[in-house]
Amino acid sequence: KQEVTQIPAALSVPEGENLVLNCSFTDSAIYNLQWFRQDPGKGLTSLLLIQSSQREQTSGRLNASLDKSSGRSTLYIAASQPGDSATYLCAVRPGSGNTGKLIFGQGTTLQVKP
Amino acid sequence: EAGVVQSPRYKIIEKKQPVAFWCNPISGHNTLYWYRQNLGQGPELLIRYENEEAVDDSQLPKDRFSAERLKGVDSTLKIQPAELGDSAVYLCASSSTANYGYTFGSGTRLTVV
Repeated sequence: KQEVTQIPAALSVPEGENLVLNCSFTDSAIYNLQWFRQDPGKGLTSLLLIQSSQREQTSGRLNASLDKSSGRSTLYIAASQPGDSATYLCAVRPGSGNTGKLIFGQGTTLQVKP
Repeated sequence: EAGVVQSPRYKIIEKKQPVAFWCNPISGHNTLYWYRQNLGQGPELLIRYENEEAVDDSQLPKDRFSAERLKGVDSTLKIQPAELGDSAVYLCASSSTANYGYTFGSGTRLTVV
């Protein structure tokens, strides 16, 4: 059974710091991995999607890496800003992708202090 | 392109009352999902539709939950009767077959009192 774990559960950093959020999964047979952002009381916003054949994806100040063999992904946020404060969720799509199901971690709640 | 649209955004009901949530996916997305997110947790799948067919409803509590997707577009999720433990955020998402990336709606926050 695929399980997804995110560490740390919460993180508080001063503005301007570079930071890394971690995601691990127990079964390396994944179709893709997606990072989401969730603001309080809101839905999920997709940040980055990494297909199983890819090693990383970048969007602006965000960079996500994927190491299937070790069951790990990291989300790197450069030069953090108070507007980055939110919960970040990692989710994997198992196997061939036909199941369609995403397995989520519990999220990392980030606070960036001015 | 318009995103996934959900309504209502918030709903407060008394226990044992019925409630319904509506979702309009992104145009052209054949796959539609309903997820439930409890406080402090990641979302968990309730049901997945491919066009109008429910292909995975193994996590849907069928004694009180029902769902439909008419004509393979809009979808409705219903709870009858609601229980206190149903308080959660109900999220709808859709995906295209092109890259299997998900797009989520804003969700409906349900509070059962």
